[in-house]
Amino acid sequence: EVQLVQSGAELKKPGESLRISCKGSGYIFTDYWINWVRQMPGKGLEWMGRIDPSDSRTNYSPSFQGHVTISVDKSTSTAYLQWTGLTTSDTAIYYCARPFGSGSVPGYWGQGTLVTVST
Amino acid sequence: QSVLTQPPSASGTPGQRVTIPCSGSSSSIGRNYVYWYQQLPGTAPKLVVYRNNQRPPGVPDRFSGSKSGTSASLAITGLRSEDEADYYCAAWDDSLSGQLFGTGTRVTVL
Repeated sequence: EVQLVQSGAELKKPGESLRISCKGSGYIFTDYWINWVRQMPGKGLEWMGRIDPSDSRTNYSPSFQGHVTISVDKSTSTAYLQWTGLTTSDTAIYYCARPFGSGSVPGYWGQGTLVTVST
Repeated sequence: QSVLTQPPSASGTPGQRVTIPCSGSSSSIGRNYVYWYQQLPGTAPKLVVYRNNQRPPGVPDRFSGSKSGTSASLAITGLRSEDEADYYCAAWDDSLSGQLFGTGTRVTVL
């Protein structure tokens, strides 16, 4: 069974750094892209970017380029989403997701990680 | 166009058919597969249609997808109370080299 298990909820202050994780299991981790998707409170889904775990190649949405970093550790089948300077606008639920079959568009989703940035 | 456009809401009574349109462009829906997700309150999105009109295992055949040109639609027949959720379309965009999500449609069962 394909599973993506994300790290737990985080409460941070503006300016702090953060890395959240997404561990894949039940499949060959390096065979499928991992996407990251943001959902701000009461809002829709926004694609942030993706990583190819086989070679760490990344693509970012222009809206998120330079503000977040996507990385992967093949040895632990884990993908990461990282910030170096959080703002209150980063408060959202973040989902990782992999394709259902070929391609990149998400099919299987993690349970989501709630990130709250507040003074 | 950097977004896929959906109506904000749709509704129907139990047993009725509801159709959700999704409008894109030649570089998104026009050239790539369309995917549909159902998001129940407080949960992660769930794939209900992939590659325009295919259903993943376990998704009822009440859900069906179609695509024509730069538009797509999701139809829910025999509407049930448990179908009340937000629905999003998605497609890759070749011009942006990135993925687009639809603006989302909230389906209400009256």
